[in-house]
Amino acid sequence: DQQVKQNSPSLSVQEGRISILNCDYTNSMFDYFLWYKKYPAEGPTFLISISSIKDKNEDGRFTVFLNKSAKHLSLHIVPSQPGDSAVYFCAARSNTGNQFYFGTGTSLTVIP
Amino acid sequence: EAGVAQSPRYKIIEKRQSVAFWCNPISGHATLYWYQQILGQGPKLLIQFQNNGVVDDSQLPKDRFSAERLKGVDSTLKIQPAKLEDSAVYLCASSPDINYGYTFGSGTRLTVV
Repeated sequence: DQQVKQNSPSLSVQEGRISILNCDYTNSMFDYFLWYKKYPAEGPTFLISISSIKDKNEDGRFTVFLNKSAKHLSLHIVPSQPGDSAVYFCAARSNTGNQFYFGTGTSLTVIP
Repeated sequence: EAGVAQSPRYKIIEKRQSVAFWCNPISGHATLYWYQQILGQGPKLLIQFQNNGVVDDSQLPKDRFSAERLKGVDSTLKIQPAKLEDSAVYLCASSPDINYGYTFGSGTRLTVV
């Protein structure tokens, strides 16, 4: 049972434009969310996080939005750069558990 | 700060053979995780250690998979015997505590033929 879903396997965006990556979850007990970025042949690297007490967290070009009522979060990258081309995973953890549940990833391609 | 080290990077074995993976977490990180990532899927937790004790191994196929973390530092993950469906990238991650996000290693890509 996939508790964290990324329904878009891939996304292509022109350099300089905004990239929006979406993530949906089913477990209402999830209260802490992460985004990871993964280049080929490397492990995922932490990008940005958000706690359920917030609805927005910003770090440079990266902003994560959380809509708890819709059980939806999104990652915005503005402006997109070719070096942002990677697979992006969202992950979520409940306030009663230890492990993070990962989505299946979205492959972002930023076209120069 | 040195990252999470994993070896080997790649391994090809025949089904029914055995294989072992090694992980050295970031110094001082108490929590260590082994994840399995099958192609096209997100990472799935296999086992979680807090120091040298197991916190969660509910998704570890214990008939063929085993893991240990002696002295609360390095960890090994073993598969014996391997099946074709074990072909995946095995990721090790560590964190200072269960309340923090992880740092992942580069993973070991296992191919079972």
